[in-house]
Formats: sequence, structure tokens, C-alpha cells
Amino acid sequence: GIQVEQSPPDLILQEGANSTLRCNFSDSVNNLQWFHQNPWGQLINLFYIPSGTKQNGRLSATTVATERYSLLYISSSQTTDSGVYFCAVELRSGQNFVFGPGTRLSVLP
Amino acid sequence: DAGVTQSPTHLIKTRGQQVTLRCSPKSGHDTVSWYQQALGQGPQFIFQYYEEEERQRGNFPDRFSGHQFPNYSSELNVNALLLGDSALYLCASSAGFFTEAFFGQGTRLTVV
Repeated sequence: GIQVEQSPPDLILQEGANSTLRCNFSDSVNNLQWFHQNPWGQLINLFYIPSGTKQNGRLSATTVATERYSLLYISSSQTTDSGVYFCAVELRSGQNFVFGPGTRLSVLP
Repeated sequence: DAGVTQSPTHLIKTRGQQVTLRCSPKSGHDTVSWYQQALGQGPQFIFQYYEEEERQRGNFPDRFSGHQFPNYSSELNVNALLLGDSALYLCASSAGFFTEAFFGQGTRLTVV
């Protein structure tokens, strides 16, 4: 089946720093989403981005489908950005979401 | 718009018992999927319902079953609970396939 890898697995930042999270996937996909999981377990939608670039405030994302990777950029990080960031992909064959292992981000004040 | 809602939020069951979890999809959504998330891992796909039928299934035993109602809400049933079934169960809804999916807040199941 498809492999989804995320890097780095853990990231510790000082408030105000910038960061880049990476998601690599091993097959063609029809859907890619980035989520932030808060400490209570809620998966919060960040981006629906099967291809191209999107920005939402301090966050932006880029997916290069032909090269099978996606990047999530966080600028001027805040303590509330802490949590686990998941990349999830949906295959063209419709295998439903396959999640990566996540990147655990800790932003220190 | 209430978004995706799940009930209950927390549940404690004894090994061998049966449990039913519920999910109401986001308004306008007709497809519901269920995921299991063990501690420290990413969510794992259980199954997906569309038009009241199970459309796809992940690698989960038959103890896991589900249902979708005409109003698109869904239930997840787990029989003969094992300690290893302790996890966060997440429901996601979407408008058809390959569109943006939204998740509920989850049901945290503890089996003792």
C-alpha cells in the first residue's frame, strides 16, 4: 500500500520562529490534507491541497503532486501552534485517507 | 453549522462487552468514514459509508461493524471488546469522494 512519511518527527521551537514540515508519499493521490491535532484529540483542518500552493494567515502549504511531496510552512510560531501535525492522502484508487505518523511540534514561550 | 458531532465523548467498557459510537455528519455531507487512533499514532481507517452501504473497509476484524441511516448519520459497533480496542475513535464526513473531509472531536474508548 501507499507509504506516507513525515519529517521531522519532533520539532521544538522558540515562539516567533519559522518552521517547515514535510510529507512524502509513495503513490499518486487525489486528495491531500493537512491537519493539526489539538491536545484534546480534535483534528483541525488546515489545508485541502492536492496540488498547488495555499496560504492562510501565518500558515501556507505547497503540494508538488508530480514529485509526491507536500510542505507546510508555519511562520512566527505561537505557543498555540503546539500539537501534532498530520498529513493525510487519499489515493486515486479511492483507498480513503492514509495518515502519516505526524510531526509533534512544541513551541516554547 | 454544527460541523461533525460524535457521541459520547468518553466511554469506559469492560472486556467482552459491546459498544456503539455515533456520528452526525456536517450539513450537506453524505459520506461518513470511521478511524481508530491509538495513543501516539496516526488514525487508521476502519470503514466508509455512502448511500447506507459500506463502500470500503480497512484492515479491521468483523467485530467492527457499522451502519449509515437515511439522514447520513452513522454508527460504529464493536463487539467482544478487547483491551487493545482502547483508542480514540474519529468520524469524518465529506460530500462524496475526493473532497475535503472534516473530523469530529472523537470518542475516547477505554476498555478495562
